[in-house]
Amino acid sequence: SQTIHQWPATLVQPVGSPLSLECTVEGTSNPNLYWYRQAAGRGLQLLFYSVGIGQISSEVPQNLSASRPQDRQFILSSKKLLLSDSGFYLCAWSVPRGGPQHFGDGTRLSIL
Amino acid sequence: AQRVTQPEKLLSVFKGAPVELKCNYSYSGSPELFWYVQYSRQRLQLLLRHISRESIKGFTADLNKGETSFHLKKPFAQEEDSAMYYCALNKAGGGNKLTFGTGTQLKVEL
Repeated sequence: SQTIHQWPATLVQPVGSPLSLECTVEGTSNPNLYWYRQAAGRGLQLLFYSVGIGQISSEVPQNLSASRPQDRQFILSSKKLLLSDSGFYLCAWSVPRGGPQHFGDGTRLSIL
Repeated sequence: AQRVTQPEKLLSVFKGAPVELKCNYSYSGSPELFWYVQYSRQRLQLLLRHISRESIKGFTADLNKGETSFHLKKPFAQEEDSAMYYCALNKAGGGNKLTFGTGTQLKVEL
């Protein structure tokens, strides 16, 4: 069966420090992969999605970037974190043709 | 641009009472709609999708294109239904990118 792993679960970082959040999927090939952010009191906002290795689409302008170095690995990064980057980040996957998305446990990021 | 509106941040009902979580959307095309649920200390998971036209855990949702709504309903609320519920829209041909509402926290009281 398919599983999705996301880590770390929580992270506290100082302003200006770099960021790397990792997401991996098992049990499926060539999935669509997604990064969402959930700010307090708001819904989930799609940040990036990928339909294949090295293929990244950004949905909103921001201080973050994403990469997909392997078929089932999706990384969310930043060179210099801002206070506004605080939030809850969720990774998700779906089969290539679309359909329901399946979510990881999320990472709670706090910027000090 | 597409938008999903969930007007209630919090909905509190008594056990055994009917539940209706509201969801309205704006999209000019033919959308695909979902309800996701997040129970305490669990990950976000799919509850149901409109094309399946099924009942999951007693919940149903009917797409009303005239009213652009996809309300989630259950005739008799149970304590274990307490959770955060999100309505989401996937626009046709949109690369499977979901637009989420802000969510409704359902609290079922004894």
